[in-house]
Amino acid sequence: DTGVSQDPRHKITKRGQNVTFRCDPISEHNRLYWYRQTLGQGPEFLTYFQNEAQLEKSRLLSDRFSAERPKGSFSTLEIQRTEQGDSAMYLCASSLGEATNEKLFFGSGTQLSVL
Amino acid sequence: GNSVTQMEGPVTLSEEAFLTINCTYTATGYPSLFWYVQYPGEGLQLLLKATKADDKGSNKGFEATYRKETTSFHLEKGSVQVSDSAVYFCALFSGTYKYIFGTGTRLKVLA
Repeated sequence: DTGVSQDPRHKITKRGQNVTFRCDPISEHNRLYWYRQTLGQGPEFLTYFQNEAQLEKSRLLSDRFSAERPKGSFSTLEIQRTEQGDSAMYLCASSLGEATNEKLFFGSGTQLSVL
Repeated sequence: GNSVTQMEGPVTLSEEAFLTINCTYTATGYPSLFWYVQYPGEGLQLLLKATKADDKGSNKGFEATYRKETTSFHLEKGSVQVSDSAVYFCALFSGTYKYIFGTGTRLKVLA
């Protein structure tokens, strides 16, 4: 068990470019979440997967954002045509899926800076 | 909608001081309540949780009691250490697989 890993740790991009982040959850975990965190704020829910199915998306997630979890393992979060307002820490978390209110295991996040 | 409100930080204390970080919530139904902690350079990790009214969660000397009548889940520790310096997040689970987090409270403990 190596924990939840996210790649890259930091990403600097120019406005209008596309970026993709990867999350590798703990191997036996069925549930995977993406959150966004800006300075001085708590994590904001973006989307949630149960295995490979994306079950919920936040209204925060505009049509420039897309997430996938092929085969129910790793997940990717893509942001198209980035804007300066997309600058934030993007957090991935996973959980076992045995209960509805179980603990989340978080990765260290990907810090995105849009210039 | 559901929400969590935490006291603003930073909170600065001397070692061995008593800690309280206030957290109140608004939710329909009966949410589960959590405290997560983020140490410098690390990801968030669960500190403690309580799943029903009057439950007390505890871990590493920290405690919080689920108070339905005051919709609160305040975090307390009797004697803080320098190693407790971190950001603390109160959170609730709303029953739709969506955790809602507070804004976080930064704690700094001085030796």
